[in-house]
Order: sequence, then C-alpha cells, then structure tokens
Amino acid sequence: GESVGLHLPTLSVQEGDNSIINCAYSNSASDYFIWYKQESGKGPQFIIDIRSNMDKRQGQRVTVLLNKTVKHLSLQIAATQPGDSAVYFCAENSGAGGTSYGKLTFGQGTILTVHP
Amino acid sequence: DTEVTQTPKHLVMGMTNKKSLKCEQHMGHRAMYWYKQKAKKPPELMFVYSYEKLSINESVPSRFSPECPNSSLLNLHLHALQPEDSALYLCASSQGGTGVNEKLFFGSGTQLSVL
Repeated sequence: GESVGLHLPTLSVQEGDNSIINCAYSNSASDYFIWYKQESGKGPQFIIDIRSNMDKRQGQRVTVLLNKTVKHLSLQIAATQPGDSAVYFCAENSGAGGTSYGKLTFGQGTILTVHP
Repeated sequence: DTEVTQTPKHLVMGMTNKKSLKCEQHMGHRAMYWYKQKAKKPPELMFVYSYEKLSINESVPSRFSPECPNSSLLNLHLHALQPEDSALYLCASSQGGTGVNEKLFFGSGTQLSVL
C-alpha cells in the first residue's frame, strides 16, 4: 500500500545549528503535506504545510521543501534551540477532493535532540 | 481559540469496565477525528466524522464506539477493552471543506491503560 516514511529515525544537533529532517512518500497522487511536532505527553502540533503546486514554503525559522520528482519532503529548522527537541512527523493528506474531511497518513517520525 | 480539549488526560480501566473519552472544540470545525498512537509510533486513524456523520471507520473493533452529539463534541465509548488497546488516544478537528487541504488540529490526548 501507499506509505509515508522517513529516512532518519534520530537526529542530534547542537544548539544554534540548522536541522534538516527528511521524509519520503510513495503516493504520487498526494497533493498536500503537513509537518507536525510532538513533544512528550502532548498531541501533534502543526508546524507548516505545503501544497503540491509549491516547491518551498517558509515559516518562522522553518522551511519545507517539496520535490515531487523524487517524492521527497524535508523540514529545515534554522538556529535550532533546545525547545525544538521533539518527535517530528510528516503527514500526507490522502483524502480525495469531493469529501469534506482530510485523511492524514503519518510517517514514522524523527526524534530530534538539541544539545545546549 | 485553536484548542482541541480532551478529557480525561489519563485513564486506567479494567477489561470489564465501560468508560468514555471526550473531545471538544470551539473553532467551528465540521470534521472531527479519532487517532490511536502506540508508544514510539505514528498516530493511526480510527474514525472520521464529517458534519456529525460517521464518514470513515478504519475497521476498528466494535469495543470502540464513537459518537458525535453535535458539531463541537466527539466521544469515544470503550467497553471490554484488551490490554493491547493501551495507547494514547488523540482527537483532532479540521475545518471541513473540500477535503483536499484539510489542516488537522490535535488535542493532547488521553493516555489509556487497560489492566
């Protein structure tokens, strides 16, 4: 079946470094992607999203890149801080148009640890 | 208000108990979701309600019974659960539009332990 997956399960960086978290997807029909951050004991928190008609989208200290040719998604975090330590999930909305809801499929997650 | 509120935060129950998980949002969203998340795993979709109607049931066992009393509330009724059902149960909501770019907002979850 279709799936969304991550290349690296763990990532350790020093405070102030830039972090890059990668995600591969296999459903070529996917047209909307979301990155979530999940801290211990909390639910997933929306970080940034991107539609398939875009290659890049920037937020505050975060950038998402989408390469549809190789079905690859990445999240870049600039000047990573200890508070960024969490599990990061990419998610693909496989809900078809014509419905009135989404259907998110999550990747396996990457644990980001930021050392002071 | 961008909050999805779930109660209780923690729940311990025996295999013969009946309990309910509750979820509430006041963002005017018309789609609501239940996800199950095991430790160190991604969330997995269980149910989707759209405009108070059940739209998706991902082959969830009948010991889990969802209910959507109105557009702001979502319940998950639990009965005769098994220890392997122990997990974090997450509620989410989204605006409910075309379904193509639905941004889901999650609550903090209910950590369920079945003894």
